[in-house]
Amino acid sequence: EPEVTQTPSHQVTQMGQEVILRCVPISNHLYFYWYRQILGQKVEFLVSFYNNEISEKSEIFDDQFSVERPDGSNFTLKIRSTKLEDSAMYFCASSGTGGGLIRNQPQHFGDGTRLSIL
Amino acid sequence: AQTVTQSQPEMSVQEAETVTLSCTYDTSESDYYLFWYKQPPSRQMILVIRQEAYKQQNATENRFSVNFQKAAKSFSLKISDSQLGDAAMYFCAYRTNTGNQFYFGTGTSLTVIP
Repeated sequence: EPEVTQTPSHQVTQMGQEVILRCVPISNHLYFYWYRQILGQKVEFLVSFYNNEISEKSEIFDDQFSVERPDGSNFTLKIRSTKLEDSAMYFCASSGTGGGLIRNQPQHFGDGTRLSIL
Repeated sequence: AQTVTQSQPEMSVQEAETVTLSCTYDTSESDYYLFWYKQPPSRQMILVIRQEAYKQQNATENRFSVNFQKAAKSFSLKISDSQLGDAAMYFCAYRTNTGNQFYFGTGTSLTVIP
């Protein structure tokens, strides 16, 4: 069964540095998402992406964050200048094959990238 | 804003027994979608079951079923004949009819006792 894959599994970065988290969504999916989960807290939505642009974003997704689909397979999340509070597990998800209503199609999640800011 | 509450941070069940995980949510919308996701120690979240709010019939997937009480805004997950592989973190999630983002609960950690 196709899977969403994320790399790296663990990223350690100095505060103030830029970090890029990478995701390869399921190949025929059209919608892409990033979520984060701070240790011990709920999973929080960051952003959704469709047709090469952001379709929704949360209050968390400020100017320090950006997303990109640089080619036909990767979907990246960039944090420009990391802060200690950015330490979390970041999950990528994808959904929507284009057949049927998009809202009926569930999101498939990757394993996540644990981001540790020092 | 929509909120999802899972009041049981941890639950345990004897193998082969039945367990129910609770979830309540708050919304002013009439049409929406509810999901249960399972997150095993390998960390990938896997869809367990979903329910469309406009459907009165409770969703069922093999050993997994839900008790959807729309008026009470309750969406509990029942796992029958629990297996060791069911041990995981379970998240309840809500999605609006119009948007794509999920709102997650804080999760319930399920332990299955052999």
